Amino acid sequence: KAGVTQTPRYLIKTRGQQVTLSCSPISGHRSVSWYQQTPGQGLQFLFEYFSETQRNKGNFPGRFSGRQFSNSRSEMNVSTLELGDSALYLCASTTTGPNTGELFFGEGSRLTVL
Amino acid sequence: DQQVKQNSPSLSVQEGRISILNCDYTNSMFDYFLWYKKYPAEGPTFLISISSIKDKNEDGRFTVFLNKSAKHLSLHIVPSQPGDSAVYFCAASRRGDYKLSFGAGTTVTVRA
Repeated sequence: KAGVTQTPRYLIKTRGQQVTLSCSPISGHRSVSWYQQTPGQGLQFLFEYFSETQRNKGNFPGRFSGRQFSNSRSEMNVSTLELGDSALYLCASTTTGPNTGELFFGEGSRLTVL
Repeated sequence: DQQVKQNSPSLSVQEGRISILNCDYTNSMFDYFLWYKKYPAEGPTFLISISSIKDKNEDGRFTVFLNKSAKHLSLHIVPSQPGDSAVYFCAASRRGDYKLSFGAGTTVTVRA
């Protein structure tokens, strides 16, 4: 069974630009979550989607947005990039939700903002 | 506000000995706790979990202990092996929140 696929794996942007990251969950998984990992900060929750509905959102500015499609694939967008947005963005999927089931993570998209 | 804390950023242990990783949390509403392991250039992978109704869960070399009164959990790895060298994240969740709160991670190095 294929794992969680994230694209692109690496990207470099400049301040002020915007970026869209894509995530294809494991087949049959309807819950998709996004996390930002930066050194020393662990994984910070961005948002969670289930059946195209956002059920929770983390404490990030409105420049961070996401959506989920009917096939459960998800995208996240960051507009007006800042240097501090440089991070590893991780997508994770699970069947019904992250509360009691393990999350299956992708390898992440490494974003560098110059 | 960091609700899950791993106060030891790193741990070095000799092969064959026990590794003990600690995690503290502040939110008494958390009812499920998990440990994830992460190798460089890979996503985190699930290791072991425990519900708040239990105080211990064991899976092979890995045991997680939960002390609800102290809001503390720990992960024991016995015996430690070189392949255990990785970053370990503690995480917690509350039913209905649809998210995990992660600690900052502990880097474990197992010496031969």
